[in-house]
Amino acid sequence: GQSLEQPSEVTAVEGAIVQINCTYQTSGFYGLSWYQQHDGGAPTFLSYNALDGLEETGRFSSFLSRSDSYGYLLLQELQMKDSASYFCAVRTGGFKTIFGAGTRLFVKA
Amino acid sequence: NAGVTQTPKFQVLKTGQSMTLQCAQDMNHNSMYWYRQDPGMGLRLIYYSASEGTTDKGEVPNGYNVSRLNKREFSLRLESAAPSQTSVYFCASLDRWANVLTFGAGSRLTVL
Repeated sequence: GQSLEQPSEVTAVEGAIVQINCTYQTSGFYGLSWYQQHDGGAPTFLSYNALDGLEETGRFSSFLSRSDSYGYLLLQELQMKDSASYFCAVRTGGFKTIFGAGTRLFVKA
Repeated sequence: NAGVTQTPKFQVLKTGQSMTLQCAQDMNHNSMYWYRQDPGMGLRLIYYSASEGTTDKGEVPNGYNVSRLNKREFSLRLESAAPSQTSVYFCASLDRWANVLTFGAGSRLTVL
C-alpha cells in the first residue's frame, strides 16, 4: 500500500524554529508538497519539492531527499498564527495526489 | 474571485438518501479532485479527474460516483448515504505547472 507518515502533534514556542517530518512509501513519486490548514478552513498550498534539496519561501522552507523517501517542513520565527495543521502530500503519478494524516502544530506564547 | 466553488456548504441526510455535491473551478485547470476529511485521518482521495473526459478511483471510492461534466465542473454523488460517509468533503483543482492544488471551502455532510 501507499503511506505518508508524519507526527500527529508538535508544540513550540513563539519565535522558535520547528521541523515537521514526512516519510513516504508510494508506488510512484513526482514530488512532495506541503499544505497548511487552519481550523474550519480549507488547505492552502505552502511549498513543493520535485528535486532533492531545500526550497525557501519566506519563513517557511521545505526539504526533500528522494533516496531516503523523506522530507520536512521548517517553520522559522514562529508566530501564533502558525498554529494550524500541516499536511505533506505526494503526487504519485498520473496527477494522483495523496496526503498524510497531518501534523497539528501548537504555538505557545 | 478566481477559485473553486463547491455546494452545498452543509447538508444533513438520512441513511439511504442520495445527494450530489457540486464543484466548479474557473482557473482553466485540467485536473480536479474530491477528498474527504475525517478527524485524525487527513485528506483521503475519493476520485480524481486528470482531464476532461476521464475519472479515476482514489483511495476510498466505495459508495461514491463522480461525473466530470465539462472542464469546469466535477460532481460527487452519494447514491445511498451511510453514516460512515459523514465527513467534510473538499473539491480541488490542480495547477499542473506549479503543482499547486487549490481547494474549495468544503462541504460538511452529516448522515443520520
